Amino acid sequence: SQQGEEDPQALSIQEGENATMNCSYKTSINNLQWYRQNSGRGLVHLILIRSNEREKHSGRLRVTLDTSKKSSSLLITASRAADTASYFCATDDTGGFKTIFGAGTRLFVKA
Amino acid sequence: KAGVTQTPRYLIKTRGQQVTLSCSPISGHRSVSWYQQTPGQGLQFLFEYFSETQRNKGNFPGRFSGRQFSNSRSEMNVSTLELGDSALYLCASSSPRDRGFGEKLFFGSGTQLSVL
Repeated sequence: SQQGEEDPQALSIQEGENATMNCSYKTSINNLQWYRQNSGRGLVHLILIRSNEREKHSGRLRVTLDTSKKSSSLLITASRAADTASYFCATDDTGGFKTIFGAGTRLFVKA
Repeated sequence: KAGVTQTPRYLIKTRGQQVTLSCSPISGHRSVSWYQQTPGQGLQFLFEYFSETQRNKGNFPGRFSGRQFSNSRSEMNVSTLELGDSALYLCASSSPRDRGFGEKLFFGSGTQLSVL
């Protein structure tokens, strides 16, 4: 079963625009992570936000977390063609030793 | 430091055969997780190993099995292959500390399995 659900499923923007992806989850969490996957490759960790944090920045990435709404958002500013990929949110199963991924958002950045 | 290595990169099998996939984690990482990724089901957790012990298992039939060796390398095996087993199989390792919560995963490039 999937803990996180991303929205939208797909997003197409022009280079230079900002991209926002949302993630909703079902159970309480200790932290939430975002990963990127280029087509047919492995996932790459982008950023982790802990349950007691509301916002976190890393370069052009900004992640917010609202535990009352069980949701998170990933903002990529000034998008580049190289940002074209699928983006997944992930949370840890309550029992531990298991990270659960959402269905992902496919981002396409047009040059 | 070398990343997570998965072999082979591509594999073609026929229904009824069995297959073994290999994963070498980042040096020093003791936890290895396996995932199945398909367009319809997304990323599905298969199992996680730490120090040769399976600590968690996903909801897959018994045809899917795995193991971890003393050097932390891991293998997964799928017996009696079905068409629906066609997928990208991803392996991920995590930090030297005992993995509980919040450890980031380092993924290999995956093995693309096609069952004909």
